[in-house]
Amino acid sequence: GESVGLHLPTLSVQEGDNSIINCAYSNSASDYFIWYKQESGKGPQFIIDIRSNMDKRQGQRVTVLLNKTVKHLSLQIAATQPGDSAVYFCAETETSYDKVIFGPGTSLSVIP
Amino acid sequence: GAGVSQSPSNKVTEKGKDVELRCDPISGHTALYWYRQSLGQGLEFLIYFQGNSAPDKSGLPSDRFSAERTGGSVSTLTIQRTQQEDSAVYLCASSLGLWGTEAFFGQGTRLTVV
Repeated sequence: GESVGLHLPTLSVQEGDNSIINCAYSNSASDYFIWYKQESGKGPQFIIDIRSNMDKRQGQRVTVLLNKTVKHLSLQIAATQPGDSAVYFCAETETSYDKVIFGPGTSLSVIP
Repeated sequence: GAGVSQSPSNKVTEKGKDVELRCDPISGHTALYWYRQSLGQGLEFLIYFQGNSAPDKSGLPSDRFSAERTGGSVSTLTIQRTQQEDSAVYLCASSLGLWGTEAFFGQGTRLTVV
C-alpha cells in the first residue's frame, strides 16, 4: 500500500546547530503534508503543515520544504534546543480522502 | 474540554478479555481518528469518523476490533478477545473538519495484554 518513509531513523545534533529531518512519500496524489513531534509518553503534536501548491513554509524556528518532483519532504529546525529532542513524524494525505498516512518516525537527540 | 482526552491512560488486561478505550474529542470537532502505535513504531491508521459515521474502516486489523461514535462526540474503540499482539498505544485525534485542517492528538491509551 501507499507509505511514507524516512531516510534517517535517528539523528543526533549539537545544541545550537540546525537539524534537517527528511521524508520520502510514495503517493503522488497526496496534496497535504504535516510534521508532528512526539515526546516520550505523549501524543503527537502538530508542528507545521504544507500544501502541494507550495514548496516552502516557515514557522517559528521550523521550515518545511516540499519537492514534488522527487516526492520529498524535509523539516528544518533552526538553532536546535534540548527541548527539540523527540520523535518526528511526517504524514501525508489527499485532502479529498481522510486517511492520513504516517511515516515510521525519526528520533532527534540534541547534545547539550 | 481544552484538548483531546483519552481514558484510561494505561490498561493492563489478560489475554482473551475485552477492552474498551474511550476518546473525548475537542468540542465541536466533527472528525475523529484512531491510530495504533506499537513500541518504537509509527502510527498505524485504524478508523476515522466524520460525525457519527465511519467512511473508512479499512485499517481495523481484524473483526475483533470495532469502534463507534455517538452524538458526534465521544468515541469508543473496543477490542474483543485481546491478544498479546494488540499491546500498543492507541491514539485518538480530532479535527474541526477533514484533515486539511489541523488535527490534535490525545495522550493515548497504553494497552498491555498479558
